[in-house]
Amino acid sequence: EAGVTQFPSHSVIEKGQTVTLRCDPISGHDNLYWYRRVMGKEIKFLLHFVKESKQDESGMPNNRFLAERTGGTYSTLKVQPAELEDSGVYFCASSHVGATGNTIYFGEGSWLTVV
Amino acid sequence: DQQVKQNSPSLSVQEGRISILNCDYTNSMFDYFLWYKKYPAEGPTFLISISSIKDKNEDGRFTVFLNKSAKHLSLHIVPSQPGDSAVYFCAAREDSNYQLIWGAGTKLIIKP
Repeated sequence: EAGVTQFPSHSVIEKGQTVTLRCDPISGHDNLYWYRRVMGKEIKFLLHFVKESKQDESGMPNNRFLAERTGGTYSTLKVQPAELEDSGVYFCASSHVGATGNTIYFGEGSWLTVV
Repeated sequence: DQQVKQNSPSLSVQEGRISILNCDYTNSMFDYFLWYKKYPAEGPTFLISISSIKDKNEDGRFTVFLNKSAKHLSLHIVPSQPGDSAVYFCAAREDSNYQLIWGAGTKLIIKP
């Protein structure tokens, strides 16, 4: 079974540009989460989808960030326009509804560097 | 206003000895705690968890202790092995909320 996959694995963009990160969850997982880790700091929750609906987007830092999950399958996270402080690793995770921590699976992360 | 704190950025332990990683939290509504392990260029993987109704959970070489009155938990690894070298994250959640609240991680280095 394929795990959570994320694309791109690394991205370097200039301040002001746009980047779109993609996450393909494990097939059949209705829960999809986005998290972010800025260098050396804690991993922070961004938002949570249940199927195509945003269940909780309280962690989204500002309106430069837009997440979608059309059709309840893969999700995209767009940053437009990117700022220097957006640099970090963006993790996607997925699980079945009702899953506890041991059945939440993380992708390898998308490293974003804004210069 | 970090709700989950891991105050040691790194820890170095001799192979075969015990590794103790610590985590403190401030939110008394947390009722489920988890430890994740992360290797470079990989996502976090679940290691062990504990419910707030327990004070200890053991899984092989890994034991998590929870002290609710002190709002403190710790992960013990014994004996430590070279493959245990990784970043360890403590995370917590409230029952009513799917969000995981994470600490900043502790880099564990096992010396041969």
